[in-house]
Amino acid sequence: KAGVTQTPRYLIKTRGQQVTLSCSPISGHRSVSWYQQTPGQGLQFLFEYFSETQRNKGNFPGRFSGRQFSNSRSEMNVSTLELGDSALYLCASSRDTASNEKLFFGSGTQLSVL
Amino acid sequence: AQKVTQAQTEISVVEKEDVTLDCVYETRDTTYYLFWYKQPPSGELVFLIRRNSFDEQNEISGRYSWNFQKSTSSFNFTITASQVVDSAVYFCALSEKNSGNTPLVFGKGTRLSVIA
Repeated sequence: KAGVTQTPRYLIKTRGQQVTLSCSPISGHRSVSWYQQTPGQGLQFLFEYFSETQRNKGNFPGRFSGRQFSNSRSEMNVSTLELGDSALYLCASSRDTASNEKLFFGSGTQLSVL
Repeated sequence: AQKVTQAQTEISVVEKEDVTLDCVYETRDTTYYLFWYKQPPSGELVFLIRRNSFDEQNEISGRYSWNFQKSTSSFNFTITASQVVDSAVYFCALSEKNSGNTPLVFGKGTRLSVIA
């Protein structure tokens, strides 16, 4: 059974640009959550999607957005990139609501903003 | 609001030593879930255990054991006879059920280095 796949693995952008990250969950999983990981702030929740609907949202500015498709694949978008957006972005999937379930994580997308 | 504190930022032990990773949590909910995840250098977090607030039984899985104590709001993780492969960052996490299935809140993590 394939695990959670995140693409791309590494990304370098400049300030002001926008970026789209992709996440393919484990087959049969309906929930996809996104986390931002930085050395200073640790793991911070961005949002969770379940059956194409945003179920929860973390405390991030509106520049961070996401969506989920009918096949449960998810994308997150960051517009007008700032230096502080440099981070490892992790995606996790679960069968049901992420708050109760064991989460399966991808290897992440390492975003560097120059 | 929920909060998870892992006071130990980094721990270094010699192989075969036992090591305990501390986790203290804060929540006002009576129903909640506690988790431990391991993050090896490859980056992906790997699930280790989930415990709900009504189950205070300690858990043992091979060299791993967990001690859940509601009286002290702690959920500590012990690795017995540590091995080099245990080197990773370990995260404790909490989610609340009463407050409407809140997302997982993670502690800052403890970096464990096991030296051969």
